[in-house]
Amino acid sequence: SQTIHQWPATLVQPVGSPLSLECTVEGTSNPNLYWYRQAAGRGLQLLFYSVGIGQISSEVPQNLSASRPQDRQFILSSKKLLLSDSGFYLCAWARDPGQPQHFGDGTRLSIL
Amino acid sequence: AQKITQTQPGMFVQEKEAVTLDCTYDTSDPSYGLFWYKQPSSGEMIFLIYQGSYDQQNATEGRYSLNFQKARKSANLVISASQLGDSAMYFCAMSAFTGNQFYFGTGTSLTVIP
Repeated sequence: SQTIHQWPATLVQPVGSPLSLECTVEGTSNPNLYWYRQAAGRGLQLLFYSVGIGQISSEVPQNLSASRPQDRQFILSSKKLLLSDSGFYLCAWARDPGQPQHFGDGTRLSIL
Repeated sequence: AQKITQTQPGMFVQEKEAVTLDCTYDTSDPSYGLFWYKQPSSGEMIFLIYQGSYDQQNATEGRYSLNFQKARKSANLVISASQLGDSAMYFCAMSAFTGNQFYFGTGTSLTVIP
């Protein structure tokens, strides 16, 4: 069966510091991968998606970036965090477009 | 443009009763999928049920069923025999078969009362 791992679970970072969140999927090959952000009490906002190694599509302009160095690895990064980057970050995978997405447990990011 | 609307910010239901969570959508794509997710206070997004736009029958998964009315563009979630553990946020979502965007509604907070 397929599993998705996301870490860390919680992160507290100072403004201006870098960020690296990692997500890996097991049990499937060539998944579609997604990064979402959820502000407190709000819905999910799609940040990036990837249909293959090195292929990244950005949905929202911001100071975040994403990379997919391996087939089942998806990384969310920032060179300098802003206060507005605080939130709950979720990674997800899907077999194909239009099919259910399956989510990791999320990372709670607090910027001080 | 795709759009998902959940008009019920909060709902209450008595334990063991059934509850319906509303969801309407708007799309010009002929082929799409509709989804419901549960998000407990711990934060993880749990996939509950899926309905394809060409499916003739309403989807069911255990105590969850999706009341799909294509002409009205609605995809309501019905939870039967509510349990205390059903208390959570519930999100409706849609994705076209030809695209990678997943559109989420704003969610409905369900509270099950003992």
